[in-house]
Amino acid sequence: EPEVTQTPSHQVTQMGQEVILRCVPISNHLYFYWYRQILGQKVEFLVSFYNNEISEKSEIFDDQFSVERPDGSNFTLKIRSTKLEDSAMYFCASSVKGANTEAFFGQGTRLTVV
Amino acid sequence: GESVGLHLPTLSVQEGDNSIINCAYSNSASDYFIWYKQESGKGPQFIIDIRSNMDKRQGQRVTVLLNKTVKHLSLQIAATQPGDSAVYFCAENGGGATNKLIFGTGTLLAVQP
Repeated sequence: EPEVTQTPSHQVTQMGQEVILRCVPISNHLYFYWYRQILGQKVEFLVSFYNNEISEKSEIFDDQFSVERPDGSNFTLKIRSTKLEDSAMYFCASSVKGANTEAFFGQGTRLTVV
Repeated sequence: GESVGLHLPTLSVQEGDNSIINCAYSNSASDYFIWYKQESGKGPQFIIDIRSNMDKRQGQRVTVLLNKTVKHLSLQIAATQPGDSAVYFCAENGGGATNKLIFGTGTLLAVQP
């Protein structure tokens, strides 16, 4: 069964450092997303991406964040200068269509900023 | 503002019983809803969805009910099994052409053998 894969599973970084979280969406999907989940809290939308551009982003997704689809398979989230409060699980998701369709989530990357 | 909340943070049931997990949503413009299951250390897993033009949808052992009048969503799991133990999230789309999902806070379902 096709699945969304994320690497690494756990990333520890020092405050102020740049991190890149990587995702390989399901191959025939066209819409890609990043969500995050701070420990014990609900899953929060960060950004959606379609046709090589951001289609929607939340208030959390400020200029410290960026996304990229550098090739035909990877979808990355970059945090330019990490803060302690960026520590969370980051989930990549993808869907075949955009609105009103199920999104398939990866297993997540646990980001710990120290 | 937009918010999705759950009535019960923890639900404990006996194996074999039916479970009902409830969710209240506040955005009356939402027209698409999903239930996700999240096991420890894993990402959200799709269970079932429903559009606002329906009030009930059934899957394998699961049923989702939508009451738009009171903005309430529920997930019913028949013959609950130990493997059903997880956190369950409802999510809504907030209406419009958006493709983001707004998640609720989650309910922990604990199935006792």
